[in-house]
Amino acid sequence: QQQVKQSPQSLIVQKGGISIINCAYENTAFDYFPWYQQFPGKGPALLIAIRPDVSEKKEGRFTISFNKSAKQFSLHIMDSQPGDSATYFCAASKAGANSKLTFGKGITLSVRP
Amino acid sequence: DAGITQSPRHKVTETGTPVTLRCHQTENHRYMYWYRQDPGHGLRLIHYSYGVKDTDKGEVSDGYSVSRSKTEDFLLTLESATSSQTSVYFCAISESRTGKDGYTFGSGTRLTVV
Repeated sequence: QQQVKQSPQSLIVQKGGISIINCAYENTAFDYFPWYQQFPGKGPALLIAIRPDVSEKKEGRFTISFNKSAKQFSLHIMDSQPGDSATYFCAASKAGANSKLTFGKGITLSVRP
Repeated sequence: DAGITQSPRHKVTETGTPVTLRCHQTENHRYMYWYRQDPGHGLRLIHYSYGVKDTDKGEVSDGYSVSRSKTEDFLLTLESATSSQTSVYFCAISESRTGKDGYTFGSGTRLTVV
C-alpha cells in the first residue's frame, strides 16, 4: 500500500507560470510533511516542510498548502523558472520510535523558457 | 554533497558477484539510511541505522545486508547481485530519527548488474 501518492506524474509549465504538485497521504499519524527537490545526477535535497498545525508555509517562491481534513498537501512554485526543472518528491513521517520518512514516487517538472 | 560521500559513483558488476557500496559522513549524525531509486518507484528504503552496530530493515531489504562499525561509515552489501538490483543507490543522514531536520543525501551510486 502506497502511503504517499503524488500527482500529476509529470508537469510541463511555461516560464513565469505557477507549478502545482499535489500529494495525498493515508496515515493520519503522519505529522511532518517535507518536499525534496532532485536535479539530475544529484541526491534529493530538502526544499520546504510543514507540520499540520499550520495550513500554509511560504519560503520565497515556494509554498506548501496543507489540508488536514482531506489528507492532502501541495507544493506551489510561483514564477516558475527553467532552473526549477527537477524531480520533486513529497514525503511524510510520524512521531515516535522507528519513524522514518516515507517518500512518494516523485514527479518530473519541466519549465519551458 | 557536503559532509556525505558515496563510493563508488558508478559500478558495473556481473550477476552472482558480491558488491559493497560505501557511505561516509563527516557530520557525526546518528542516523544513516540506504535508499534505492528506480523509475516508477521513487525512493524506497533498504536499510537504516540508528547508531553503531544498530541497524534495521526497510521496505525492500531482501538481498541486501548492512554494517555500521563506526559512526561515519555505513556499508551496503549485495551478497549475490541480481539484475533486479540494477539501480541508483542513495545514502542519507539525519540528526534525528524522524528526520524533521531534513535528510542530507549523498550524490548516489549507479549500479549496473549484467
